[in-house]
Amino acid sequence: EAGVVQSPRYKIIEKKQPVAFWCNPISGHNTLYWYRQNLGQGPELLIRYENEEAVDDSQLPKDRFSAERLKGVDSTLKIQPAELGDSAVYLCASSYGAEANYGYTFGSGTRLTVV
Amino acid sequence: KNEVEQSPQNLTAQEGEFITINCSYSVGISALHWLQQHPGGGIVSLFMLSSGKKKHGRLIATINIQEKHSSLHITASHPRDSAVYICAVRDDKIIFGKGTRLHILP
Repeated sequence: EAGVVQSPRYKIIEKKQPVAFWCNPISGHNTLYWYRQNLGQGPELLIRYENEEAVDDSQLPKDRFSAERLKGVDSTLKIQPAELGDSAVYLCASSYGAEANYGYTFGSGTRLTVV
Repeated sequence: KNEVEQSPQNLTAQEGEFITINCSYSVGISALHWLQQHPGGGIVSLFMLSSGKKKHGRLIATINIQEKHSSLHITASHPRDSAVYICAVRDDKIIFGKGTRLHILP
């Protein structure tokens, strides 16, 4: 099984440019999460999807960040325009259901550097 | 105050030593996770606990729900155990600790 696949692995962009990250969760996992992890910190949840519905986007900076999961499978996270402070690792994770009994699988992340 | 606190923040030990990493939380939870993050950034889920103790190879995780505390132990530590270990708790959302950076010297 491929696991949670994220691309690109690394991205360097100039500030004010747009950027997009892609995530393909494990087949059959209906819950998908996007996290941002700053250096030396734990991951912070940006958005959680149950199938195609965003059930928790309270931490998503909606002025510049957007996400979609149109068919309830893969997802895209976009930043437009990017700011210097957006430099971080963006992690995607998926699970089968949001219940406590199910574990999570993380992707390898996309390391974004905004210059 | 963070809802999930880990200690120590950094830990350096010699190969073979018994390692303990602690996690305390202040919220009600339905489960607690221990995660391992290697320098490349990939995160692996080690354990998910809601009570008691779990063991996998040289790794042991315990949780005390009444005291809101969990520990991750590594027996016979090895340089390949060097990583950041992250505690995460789940109620209606997941809250992550800042991680413990472990470095095992050969």
